Amino acid sequence: GDSVTQMEGPVTLSEEACLTINCTYTATGYPSLFWYVQYPGEGLQLLLKATKADDKGSNKGFEATYRKETTSFHLEKGSVQVSDSAVYFCALSDRAGGFKTIFGAGTRLFVKA
Amino acid sequence: DVKVTQSSRYLVKRTGEKVFLECVQDMDHENMFWYRQDPGLGLRLIYFSYDVKMKEKGDIPEGYSVSREKKERFSLILESASTNQTSMYLCASRPQGRGLDYGYTFGSGTRLTVV
Repeated sequence: GDSVTQMEGPVTLSEEACLTINCTYTATGYPSLFWYVQYPGEGLQLLLKATKADDKGSNKGFEATYRKETTSFHLEKGSVQVSDSAVYFCALSDRAGGFKTIFGAGTRLFVKA
Repeated sequence: DVKVTQSSRYLVKRTGEKVFLECVQDMDHENMFWYRQDPGLGLRLIYFSYDVKMKEKGDIPEGYSVSREKKERFSLILESASTNQTSMYLCASRPQGRGLDYGYTFGSGTRLTVV
C-alpha cells in the first residue's frame, strides 16, 4: 500500500540556518504530495503542495520539488526563523487509493535564537 | 477566509460518558474526516464522509461512530468514553472532484481527556 517516510526528529537549528527535511514515498498511482505544518496546540495547516512530477511547491520561503525518479518530496528553506519551530508532516493523496490521505510521522523542528 | 471549526478546544469527560465532538465547515466541501493524533503514532483516520449521510470507516473506527446529517457538519461520537480515547482529535474537510489536489483544511483540534 501507499506509504510516506520522513526523517525522524527532532531537528534543532540556529536561526538563519538552512533546513532540509527528507520525505520519500511509495504509491501505486500518481499521487499529489503535500507538506503540512502544525504549530504548538494547533491543528495542521497546508504549507505547500505539488500535483505532478517536477512541480515545485513553495510558500513562506519553504520549497519542495516532486521528484518521481527518486520518489521524494524534500522540504527546504534557506534561512529558518524561530517562528518556524513546529512539526512538519509530509503527506500524499493517491487517486488509486481513493479518498484517504497518507501522512508521515511528522518531524519536529526547533529553531534557536 | 475558509474555516473548519471544532466546537471545543479542551474537553474533560468521565469514563463511560457518551461524548460528542462537533465539526463545522463553511466551504461547501463534500468530504470530511476525523483523525486522532497521538505521540509516536502520528495521525490515524477514524472515519470519513464523502457526502451528506455517507460515512466510511477509517483505520481505527472501534469505539467511535459518526453522523453527517448536513453537508457542513460532521460529528464524532464516542459511545462510551474510555481512558484510551484520551487524545487530540482533528477534523478536516476537502472538496470533491479535484479535491485530491487541494489538500485538507483542518480545524484547530479538540484535546479530549477521559478520566
